[in-house]
Amino acid sequence: GDSVTQMQGQVTLSEDDFLFINCTYSTTWYPTLFWYVQYPGEGPQLLLKVTTANNKGISRGFEATYDKGTTSFHLQKASVQESDSAVYYCVLGVYNQGKLIFGQGTKLSIKP
Amino acid sequence: NAGVIQTPRHKVTGKGQEATLWCEPISGHSAVFWYRQTIVQGLEFLTYFRNQAPIDDSGMPKERFSAQMPNQSHSTLKIQSTQPQDSAVYLCASSLEDRDGAETLYFGSGTRLTVL
Repeated sequence: GDSVTQMQGQVTLSEDDFLFINCTYSTTWYPTLFWYVQYPGEGPQLLLKVTTANNKGISRGFEATYDKGTTSFHLQKASVQESDSAVYYCVLGVYNQGKLIFGQGTKLSIKP
Repeated sequence: NAGVIQTPRHKVTGKGQEATLWCEPISGHSAVFWYRQTIVQGLEFLTYFRNQAPIDDSGMPKERFSAQMPNQSHSTLKIQSTQPQDSAVYLCASSLEDRDGAETLYFGSGTRLTVL
């Protein structure tokens, strides 16, 4: 079935460090891939969306790239700030199937 | 635009009582989704409606859980005879169907249900 795997449960960085979070996905359909971010007390919110029409998305200093050959989808940021502390979810959307499938999430903690 | 509104933000029930959770989607959005979030299971899909019609309830527990969307401005999730294992944050989201066929979901802040 359709699935998403995030192996990094928690990442701790210092301000200005480089961020890289990877995930892998599995589907037999055309995927649309998302990164959602969730702050404490809030619902997840869209950070980036990447479709098969392109393989890269950029928003708020974050960049997401997917590789169809390895079915991997990663999120990176050149220089993280304390305000980036949150949980990041890799999410799979499957063509015409409505629901989104969430990965397990990666909690990012930034040391000031 | 106020975004997706969920009420109440917090609900505490005793074991065996009923809980009704409310969701007001973003005006003009055609679909409403319900998810459940726990530390152990993460974000789990429960059910969704499009144009008020139920489309997929594959994630709904077969007993005690039901969802309705009586009009385009609100949806409810009802849990009968609540059990401690129902304790979770219940998230509602709405969406516009994109031309590429994938949904972009906009979530509310959730209702934290605690069953004592």
